[in-house]
Amino acid sequence: GAGVSQTPSNKVTEKGKYVELRCDPISGHTALYWYRQSLGQGPEFLIYFQGTGAADDSGLPNDRFFAVRPEGSVSTLKIQRTERGDSAVYLCASSLIPGNTEAFFGQGTRLTVV
Amino acid sequence: DQQVKQNSPSLSVQEGRISILNCDYTNSMFDYFLWYKKYPAEGPTFLISISSIKDKNEDGRFTVFLNKSAKHLSLHIVPSQPGDSAVYFCAAVGGKLIFGQGTELSVKP
Repeated sequence: GAGVSQTPSNKVTEKGKYVELRCDPISGHTALYWYRQSLGQGPEFLIYFQGTGAADDSGLPNDRFFAVRPEGSVSTLKIQRTERGDSAVYLCASSLIPGNTEAFFGQGTRLTVV
Repeated sequence: DQQVKQNSPSLSVQEGRISILNCDYTNSMFDYFLWYKKYPAEGPTFLISISSIKDKNEDGRFTVFLNKSAKHLSLHIVPSQPGDSAVYFCAAVGGKLIFGQGTELSVKP
């Protein structure tokens, strides 16, 4: 596609439920990043993929969070047993290669846990 | 530990004047930096970048300056326009992108 696409754009879920957030990167981009952003803060790094493998998952806050990219393109961020503190905008970005190139962001998924 | 800092949460500028947004970093190993612009309910949009082999990069009304000895970079917007009103983030590349907290720029007509 022309840009990074994230679905859904909004998700409201009950505390304790499981959610999946999807990211379609720009075609041909090998690096894919997940961030989350709370109000008034900068994007907070969660995980990034180089191809199919997670190159750095040091930002995942705990084991309720998991992400996959099985074929090296689309990625899914999975959150188990959601908590109200997980409410944030989840941003996905992709770049041609990791490192010193520009990363392009999707519009984000606004997750609200009630 | 905040490796990239934007110490001004907001900035207000008159249309036509210069806007200067500042960013400091702590890790001297960072060698590539980017600025992003973000409107409400949208993802960040890439604006301009700079490599540590340069001290200046210019693109139209936007210029980024890098002072490696001070571990400081700044974004200059000249002349500022009301459509520039947005939140601006600087980011350092260390494998992943490491973002500052953002500065909200308001350009008054």
